[in-house]
Parts: sequence; C-alpha cells; structure tokens
Amino acid sequence: EVQLVESGGGLVQPGRSLKLSCVASGFTFSNYGMNWIRQAPGKGLEWVAYISSGSSYIYYAETVKGRFTISRDNAKNTLYLQMTSLRSEDTALYYCASLTGSSDYWGQGVMVTVSS
Amino acid sequence: DIQMTQSPSLLSASVGDRVTLNCKASQNINKNLNWYQQKLGEAPKLLIYYTNNLQTGIPSRFSGSGSGTDYTLTISSLQPEDVATYYCYQYNSGTFGGGTKLELK
Repeated sequence: EVQLVESGGGLVQPGRSLKLSCVASGFTFSNYGMNWIRQAPGKGLEWVAYISSGSSYIYYAETVKGRFTISRDNAKNTLYLQMTSLRSEDTALYYCASLTGSSDYWGQGVMVTVSS
Repeated sequence: DIQMTQSPSLLSASVGDRVTLNCKASQNINKNLNWYQQKLGEAPKLLIYYTNNLQTGIPSRFSGSGSGTDYTLTISSLQPEDVATYYCYQYNSGTFGGGTKLELK
C-alpha cells in the first residue's frame, strides 16, 4: 500500500522557519519526481514546489521562491520542505504528492499556521 | 506563469444530469492536464490524467477532453457521491485551477 506521511507542521510566528518532512512507502520513491501542494483554509489548491527524482530539477511557485527549499533523501525515502521567512499567507494544509501520470499519490497533509 | 481558469465556480445539478466542467489555460499546455476531485476533509483524488485517461478505479461516467488551451471534464450521469470540488491541474509548470464546486439541486 502506498503511503505518504507528512510531519513537522504546527504554529509558528511570522518571520520564523519550519521544516516539513514526508516519508514515503509502498512505491519506489527514488523513481518519482515529488511535489509540495498547499491549501489555505477554505481555499483552493496551490502548487508550491517540485523536485525531480534525482534532485537535478527543482522548481518553485513565485509566491515561495527565495523563501522555501525543497529537497529529498532517496536513501531515507523522505521529501522535505524548508520554509523560512514565513508569512501569515503561508498558513495552509501542506500536502506532499507525486503527481506522475497514473502514479498519483498524496499524503493526508500537515497543517502550518503562521500567527503571532 | 500559466494561469488556469475554471468555470463555473459553482454548479448546481440534479441526479442523472450530464454535467460539464471547464478549464481554460492562458497558453497551450499540450494536453498536460489532470482533473482532481476533492471531498470535504479529504486529500484530492485523481480522476483523469493527460486530458482523457481515466484513472484506475474511477467510474466510467467521468471523462475528459480537450486540447490547446481548452479542457473539459464531463460527468455523464451525476450521482449523489459526486458532490465535491473539482480542480484541473496543468503540469507543464504546475498550476491548479480555482476549482468548481458541484452541488445537488
């Protein structure tokens, strides 16, 4: 069974940092590009970042470029999102997901709340 | 950046209706488009990938079509369990549409 389990969320003050993790199982993680997608409360989906299977290609949404860093450790089957200079508008449920053709796997999400 | 515009944003329909949801890209996305269904409190679920390929386990009443900048998700006969919000997603550069909320009339 495919599983993606996110962790690392919580309440953080504006301007501070937070690092999310996503542990994968049930599929060959190292073969897949991976994404972070977020959803603010009551709002739609927003793609945040992508990293290719071997970390050669990395892309970010303009809203997070320069503040967020996506990375992965294929030996640990783990995807990361380092978030710095957090703003209130970064408050959202953050999903990790593969989004690769029919191999489309999503975690259940982890909540990040940016508030003083 | 490629913008994705979904219409309508809210759609009310009756059980058994044929329902059409639209998604328009700001530039040609070469059919690199997926459709997702999201129910309240759940992660999105893939319905259609690469414009018109039905994901395994998804009922055949769902279908997708389109090319260039214009794409459509069709539900041939609406069922009560189809009440959800539907999103298109272009994976040329990564953008979701704003969503269509589908409710029962």
